[in-house]
Amino acid sequence: DTEVTQTPKHLVMGMTNKKSLKCEQHMGHRAMYWYKQKAKKPPELMFVYSYEKLSINESVPSRFSPECPNSSLLNLHLHALQPEDSALYLCASSHPLSTEAFFGQGTRLTVV
Amino acid sequence: GDSVTQMEGPVTLSEEAFLTINCTYTATGYPSLFWYVQYPGEGLQLLLKATKADDKGSNKGFEATYRKETTSFHLEKGSVQVSDSAVYFCALFGASSRLTFGEGTQLTVNP
Repeated sequence: DTEVTQTPKHLVMGMTNKKSLKCEQHMGHRAMYWYKQKAKKPPELMFVYSYEKLSINESVPSRFSPECPNSSLLNLHLHALQPEDSALYLCASSHPLSTEAFFGQGTRLTVV
Repeated sequence: GDSVTQMEGPVTLSEEAFLTINCTYTATGYPSLFWYVQYPGEGLQLLLKATKADDKGSNKGFEATYRKETTSFHLEKGSVQVSDSAVYFCALFGASSRLTFGEGTQLTVNP
């Protein structure tokens, strides 16, 4: 299994809603990442978890709250988002000793 | 800090044409270099990689060679197909322990 699976694929939410994005991998990777990608731009790193501990937070607003409940799962909890937060959210994982990251298909988020 | 510069797009080619997408980088030490491809509506897929100087990464007819003397990792393919139409990102993993991406190059291949 060499996949990173993200759910849902598409999400539309209002600015007062609370929702969560989910990411799962079964490759034994112990580093997991959240990226945000706007149209026609490269992915921007948001968070890095290493061995289930948050190791990098790229000054992301608190309306985005990551969680890593175990070594296979990564969540991104969303609350009170703004329309400018609409983007493709990508999850990735890697072996801690490897520089190669595997990406999921992403969740297309629209905030209305 | 680390940075990656890609040739600006978009690039439009006819089927079976030769493809080159230029990529140069700035980094301390010895970064690993990657090309990722993103098809419409999808996530990123690793296309090829090289981890040390003079390494050649190759996959699906695409090639790139890690040139430390020119700090470059240009992507090439001898004969492109319509199915190669996508956005291509050059990236490095360096001393900052994170991927640094170029701006991406949109490739369109016409039949």
